[in-house]
Amino acid sequence: NAGVMQNPRHLVRRRGQEARLRCSPMKGHSHVYWYRQLPEEGLKFMVYLQKENIIDESGMPKERFSAEFPKEGPSILRIQQVVRGDSAAYFCASSRLAQQMNTEAFFGQGTRLTVV
Amino acid sequence: LAKTTQPISMDSYEGQEVNITCSHNNIATNDYITWYQQFPSQGPRFIIQGYKTKVTNEVASLFIPADRKSSTLSLPRVSLSDTAVYYCLVVPDNTDKLIFGTGTRLQVFP
Repeated sequence: NAGVMQNPRHLVRRRGQEARLRCSPMKGHSHVYWYRQLPEEGLKFMVYLQKENIIDESGMPKERFSAEFPKEGPSILRIQQVVRGDSAAYFCASSRLAQQMNTEAFFGQGTRLTVV
Repeated sequence: LAKTTQPISMDSYEGQEVNITCSHNNIATNDYITWYQQFPSQGPRFIIQGYKTKVTNEVASLFIPADRKSSTLSLPRVSLSDTAVYYCLVVPDNTDKLIFGTGTRLQVFP
C-alpha cells in the first residue's frame, strides 16, 4: 500500500509561470489537505478537499492559488503567475476520515518549489 | 483553537530519555493532543495522540495531567535517528485541519 505520493519532488519555475503540484492520497483515503512550509517554520494549513469538493480553503491566498480533487486522478494545487515569495515546500496529507480521534493524517514527501 | 507553546530546541545524547513539554492553557473539552515528528526534507509523521492520563505506543509515551493544560512527550533511549522537529498540536474533534507551531528541534549527539 503506497503512501501519499507527491510529484514532482522539486519544481523550479520562473516568475510569472504556473506551478502545478500533484498529490495522490493513500488508497482508500478520500480527504486531502495541503500545507505550505517556509524554511525554519511550521506547516501552514492551506486547503482541505474531499472528492470534487472544497471543504475548507481558509488558508489559501485569495489570488493565484487554486486546488481541486477530481473524481478521478490526483489532487492538484495550482499556483498561477508565481512570485519569489511562493518558494516553499508544499505538503499534501490524506486521511480516511475527517480529523478525529484515532484518525491520523499521512503526509507525502512534499514538493519543493523554487521560483527564480 | 488552543495555542501551543513548546521549547524551540533541545539537545540530548544517545541512550538518554528525552521529555518535551508542551503548554496548551486554553485547551477545550473536545480537543485532543497530538504529536508529529518531521525529519529534514520529509513530511511530518504521526507519533502519538491522547486525551488524558497516559498513552504509550512502540515509539513514545504521552503524559497528560488532569487539568490537560500541558502534555509531555517522552522518547525513551533516543538514538541519532531521532534528531528531528517535534510538533505538539491540539486538535478539536470537530475540525479537519492541523495547526502547526514552530515545533521543538531535537538534536541527538553521539
